[in-house]
Amino acid sequence: GAVVSQHPSRVICKSGTSVKIECRSLDFQATTMFWYRQFPKQSLMLMATSNEGSKATYEQGVEKDKFLINHASLTLSTLTVTSAHPEDSSFYICSASLPTGDEQYFGPGTRLTVT
Amino acid sequence: AQSVTQLDSHVSVSEGTPVLLRCNYSSSYSPSLFWYVQHPNKGLQLLLKYTSAATLVKGINGFEAEFKKSETSFHLTKPSAHMSDAAEYFCVVSGMLQGGATNKLIFGTGTLLAVQP
Repeated sequence: GAVVSQHPSRVICKSGTSVKIECRSLDFQATTMFWYRQFPKQSLMLMATSNEGSKATYEQGVEKDKFLINHASLTLSTLTVTSAHPEDSSFYICSASLPTGDEQYFGPGTRLTVT
Repeated sequence: AQSVTQLDSHVSVSEGTPVLLRCNYSSSYSPSLFWYVQHPNKGLQLLLKYTSAATLVKGINGFEAEFKKSETSFHLTKPSAHMSDAAEYFCVVSGMLQGGATNKLIFGTGTLLAVQP
């Protein structure tokens, strides 16, 4: 149980275009989903927290207009990187948690490369 | 505020020898602590978690960790390393989201474990 999927697993896009990444909880309802960014050989940095039906809460230094997060249902959250630039290239990982616990279940990640 | 410090960025062991990955935490209240493993270009897998029950926590793949409040430590150990254990390991503490709710995870900087044949 507690499986989280991400799609796509890998995406290459041109500079200036937008990319959408989906995060789904497959066998449970996730009231809260999290988006992380991981640079090569570094730790995970929390970008934002999203609750179903409400606006995402962004961490300090994360541009909310650049990284659009939508949490339309209890099983789906999306991250859209708008007007992507090469410096946005990174590994993006989502996670989801149950309302009763503090454990997070992580997706397999999405490798974004902006050329 | 909560934080974790992973004392070693790289650890190298020989196959069949013990593994010790060190982690110290800082928390203003009784924390939940986790160890996650990440294989190259993969997501994170939970190894084990401590949530104020038994101080010695057993996880998957033969790993275990001991919560020592007096030392504010939560070191990860395994008696005998296997080649498949080579990966990045993250010590994580739960912290406060805005509004006072728990559930935010704060990651250590990671320890890369290499296992030599």
